Amino acid sequence: EIVMTQSPATLSVSPGERATLSCRASQSVRSSLAWYQQKPGQAPRLLIFAASTRATGFPARFGGSGSRTEFTLTISSLQSEDFAVYYCQQYNDWPPTFGQGTKLEIK
Amino acid sequence: EVQLVQSGAEVKKPGESLKISCRGSGYSFPNYWIGWVRRMPGKGLEWMGIIYLGDSDTRYSPSFQGQVSISADKSTHTAYLQWSSLKASDTAMYYCARLRDNILAHWGQGTLVTVSS
Repeated sequence: EIVMTQSPATLSVSPGERATLSCRASQSVRSSLAWYQQKPGQAPRLLIFAASTRATGFPARFGGSGSRTEFTLTISSLQSEDFAVYYCQQYNDWPPTFGQGTKLEIK
Repeated sequence: EVQLVQSGAEVKKPGESLKISCRGSGYSFPNYWIGWVRRMPGKGLEWMGIIYLGDSDTRYSPSFQGQVSISADKSTHTAYLQWSSLKASDTAMYYCARLRDNILAHWGQGTLVTVSS
């Protein structure tokens, strides 16, 4: 199965600053890559699909990019509500697989 | 509005059986796939398997094949996740979600399963 590796495990950023999260696939997943946001005590929520398409309800400060094996989630100006755990997931091959997550915390 | 409502938290002993549920509303339920995802304490998300409500076609991630059983009742718009003999290592939060092209588009609130003697 395809192994998804996220980096860093924890990212400390100040509100208003830019955050860049990375996700690498062990083999090409084309653009079949999703990002999810999970806040404490809540279910995950779809954030990005098809590598760069924002899901309903998320503002334009969230952006996804990349293809094949290298992907990036960028949050351009962090707001307090953005501090959460972010997971990438490939859906090009069965079984779909998740990265281990990046915890975005307040600096 | 699409909603998935999961059954409540469970506390079980090792060796016991368990069936948790996920009921959908707000869409034509039988025309979608429902997936199950595990999150063990302090760990990340794991894809367990999926079921198509229209005909109960089921697919398991290899890690979960033979460990759990996924089923559905189209008439009640409900998907199920079942264990025949729980282990302490099954302690986790379990989420269901409605799929769109193997993307988990809409999530249930989660069911916490605790297995302890």
